[in-house]
Amino acid sequence: AQSVTQLDSQVPVFEEAPVELRCNYSSSVSVYLFWYVQYPNQGLQLLLKYLSGSTLVKGINGFEAEFNKSQTSFHLRKPSVHISDTAEYFCAVILFSGGYNKLIFGAGTRLAVHP
Amino acid sequence: ETGVTQSPTHLIKTRGQQVTLRCSSQSGHNTVSWYQQALGQGPQFIFQYYREEENGRGNFPPRFSGLQFPNYSSELNVNALELDDSALYLCASSTRQGQETQYFGPGTRLLVL
Repeated sequence: AQSVTQLDSQVPVFEEAPVELRCNYSSSVSVYLFWYVQYPNQGLQLLLKYLSGSTLVKGINGFEAEFNKSQTSFHLRKPSVHISDTAEYFCAVILFSGGYNKLIFGAGTRLAVHP
Repeated sequence: ETGVTQSPTHLIKTRGQQVTLRCSSQSGHNTVSWYQQALGQGPQFIFQYYREEENGRGNFPPRFSGLQFPNYSSELNVNALELDDSALYLCASSTRQGQETQYFGPGTRLLVL
């Protein structure tokens, strides 16, 4: 069965510092991996995705993630965060089954950027 | 290009009542998925609709049902509401060809008292 584990429920960081949000997945098949961001009282916005090809994926707002098959990880990074990056971040893997697909999400990591 | 929209934004119901939530998919998208996000948790898949039929379902009871219309918009219906149904309900749309990438609406926050 596929699952996603986000290792940190909360990550506090100061403005302009680098940040890494950790995500590990389990899957017995090829994976497609995603990071979504959720700002307070809003829906989910796609940050970036890995489908195939280069293991380093660049997304919006200066975020990037690296797919590591041997470590089954897909950690999200940003070299310098802003106050506006304060949000909940969700890692997800997609499961294809019987003609439909569904996203399986981790529990989320709350990123709190302090001045 | 219009994104995914949902209505209403907020809703308060009492136990035992029924509720209908609505979703308009992004232009050109023919597949709609619904997710439930309880407070402090990640979204959980409810079901997916394609060509006006349910073609996949998560671990939710039958009192959660849905519809998809010819214009690809969708409804989520929940009967006999329970307190644990209080959550943010998210709709996501995608194309059949690019179904791996789902685009989410802003959600409907349901409170059951």
